Amino acid sequence: NAGVMQNPRHLVRRRGQEARLRCSPMKGHSHVYWYRQLPEEGLKFMVYLQKENIIDESGMPKERFSAEFPKEGPSILRIQQVVRGDSAAYFCASSPGTGFNTEAFFGQGTRLTVV
Amino acid sequence: DAKTTQPNSMESNEEEPVHLPCNHSTISGTDYIHWYRQLPSQGPEYVIHGLTSNVNNRMASLAIAEDRKSSTLILHRATLRDAAVYYCILLRGGGSNYKLTFGKGTLLTVNP
Repeated sequence: NAGVMQNPRHLVRRRGQEARLRCSPMKGHSHVYWYRQLPEEGLKFMVYLQKENIIDESGMPKERFSAEFPKEGPSILRIQQVVRGDSAAYFCASSPGTGFNTEAFFGQGTRLTVV
Repeated sequence: DAKTTQPNSMESNEEEPVHLPCNHSTISGTDYIHWYRQLPSQGPEYVIHGLTSNVNNRMASLAIAEDRKSSTLILHRATLRDAAVYYCILLRGGGSNYKLTFGKGTLLTVNP
């Protein structure tokens, strides 16, 4: 049973380009979360999605960032017109449900570098 | 939301037990105590969680104080692979109980 798969593992983009980060949740998991870890900082929640729905995007920057989790295929975190400050590790997690009794499974992350 | 406080860093020797403390003095009755760890260059990994009673699994044990204002993650025999940042997180029953709030955690160094 494969874990949460994220790709690419490393992504380099020039300022102004678009970055697309992909996340395939564990089999049977319909809940996906994205977290960002800036250099020397802790992980911060960005967005929570279920199939075809954004449930909570309270941690997502208002501009340039978007996320989707289509009926078929992986969840995508899209960053338009990247800036140097977007350089970070982006982690995706999935779970079979939600709640204080639920374990989240994280992927290995995508390390985005903006040059 | 209730806050947790952990030491910035701790050191241990290989094959010795490690006790990682966490204070959560403002914990509410419906808050579950979760522990995750993050190995270098990896995503976080679930370790254990509990509500009131002590918990054991193959990775670790969780000892919860009777008043629930503190807890301790116990690694019975530390290995080099246990070197990681350990996060103590509270998840509240109801509301946004899917949102993990990671603090700075405790950086555990394991000496060979």
